[in-house]
Amino acid sequence: DIVMTQSPDSLAVSLGARATINCKSSQSVLYSSNNQNYLAWYQQKPGQSPKVLIYWASTRESGVPDRFSGSGSGTDFTLTISSLQAEDVAVYYCQQYYSTPYTFGQGTKLEIK
Amino acid sequence: EVQLVESGGGLVQPGQSLRLSCTGSGFTFGDTTMSWVRQAPGKGLEWVGFIRSKTYGGTTENAASVKGRFTISRDDSKKIAYLQMNSLKGEDTAVYYCTCTDSGRYKGAEKYWGQGILVTVSS
Repeated sequence: DIVMTQSPDSLAVSLGARATINCKSSQSVLYSSNNQNYLAWYQQKPGQSPKVLIYWASTRESGVPDRFSGSGSGTDFTLTISSLQAEDVAVYYCQQYYSTPYTFGQGTKLEIK
Repeated sequence: EVQLVESGGGLVQPGQSLRLSCTGSGFTFGDTTMSWVRQAPGKGLEWVGFIRSKTYGGTTENAASVKGRFTISRDDSKKIAYLQMNSLKGEDTAVYYCTCTDSGRYKGAEKYWGQGILVTVSS
């Protein structure tokens, strides 16, 4: 199984500041035949269902604010929120869908400092 | 608008069975891989499994933690995906989410999520 490890487990950032969450996979999730990374980022606000933010490691889902961006390739990935807003308080998860079981990271709790 | 609505949750005793349903609308159900993801109270997300569309063979994959106990099926005529859960254990207590990718994709991120339904396994 591919193990997904996020860092940090929790993060407190000031409003307007940058937030960075890292995700490392135990093996590459880059599919060489199409040069796509099978990696997604999800946001889960308290009491809500998760919502996809980023897929293929860097493609922003329609309607997601452009302050959210994804980067990385192979085994190392980053979710960046360029200017934190109050509504971004949530738990963020990465997930690989390269091979089954489609594993999630343990989650990163993002709070306002 | 894509909608996924789960039903069938509740309280069951250890060892008993329960079947969850997920009714989809707003997309081409028959062309879409349907998945289940669960979340134990206060914990993270755990992928449970999926059933591919008939285009890709209608095959299923499950997490090791549920293999042999949980079965995913689909009725494309009714636009419903099912999660049959047998021999339930306390550690199966969770909110179960129905999810799906974009229609027509063999693999993809979980683009759409239901509201989730709580399954509690307790005596």
